[in-house]
Amino acid sequence: DGGITQSPKYLFRKEGQNVTLSCEQNLNHDAMYWYRQDPGQGLRLIYYSQIVNDFQKGDIAEGYSVSREKKESFPLTVTSAQKNPTAFYLCASRDSTYEKLFFGSGTQLSVL
Amino acid sequence: AQSVTQLDSQVPVFEEAPVELRCNYSSSVSVYLFWYVQYPNQGLQLLLKYLSGSTLVKGINGFEAEFNKSQTSFHLRKPSVHISDTAEYFCAVSETGANNLFFGTGTRLTVIP
Repeated sequence: DGGITQSPKYLFRKEGQNVTLSCEQNLNHDAMYWYRQDPGQGLRLIYYSQIVNDFQKGDIAEGYSVSREKKESFPLTVTSAQKNPTAFYLCASRDSTYEKLFFGSGTQLSVL
Repeated sequence: AQSVTQLDSQVPVFEEAPVELRCNYSSSVSVYLFWYVQYPNQGLQLLLKYLSGSTLVKGINGFEAEFNKSQTSFHLRKPSVHISDTAEYFCAVSETGANNLFFGTGTRLTVIP
């Protein structure tokens, strides 16, 4: 089945540690997105990528980094510079018609 | 700049009663409008979308929404809710052909038995 796979489902970060969240899609979509979800704040865009080897900052990119070396993969690294990383992270992709987003099942990141 | 306002953060409703979840947006250009549903600890699923054409849009699970350009609204309705409709609902907007989607802050619908 086509879809988006996020892993792991739960992730814990220690102080000063970088962690990487995985996002893989087999939908052949060019555009991919990372959103952060906090209670009562909806979804906020961290980074997005329209094509391989290109990505753009969203509204809250500070403390995060991404790469897009393959069309299928768009990993997100939460760096030690992100002082409040506890949140639910959602990856999404969009087809060329821009008609809708397909979402993964999310990763819950918590700080130890 | 675009923005989306979901006026109600929480909506409790009794089972089999009707419900309306409100969404207003601001944009100076033509838009695509979406409603997504999120069940606990899961990603978002598309309920319905308005791209063009008829202003009344029907989606999955018996939901529908009406695009009102003059009021810049896209309210979601269901005539009779079920327990299984308990979830968080997000309204979203994008400019036609644009890369990004702007989401509202969500409305938590709780269906009471």
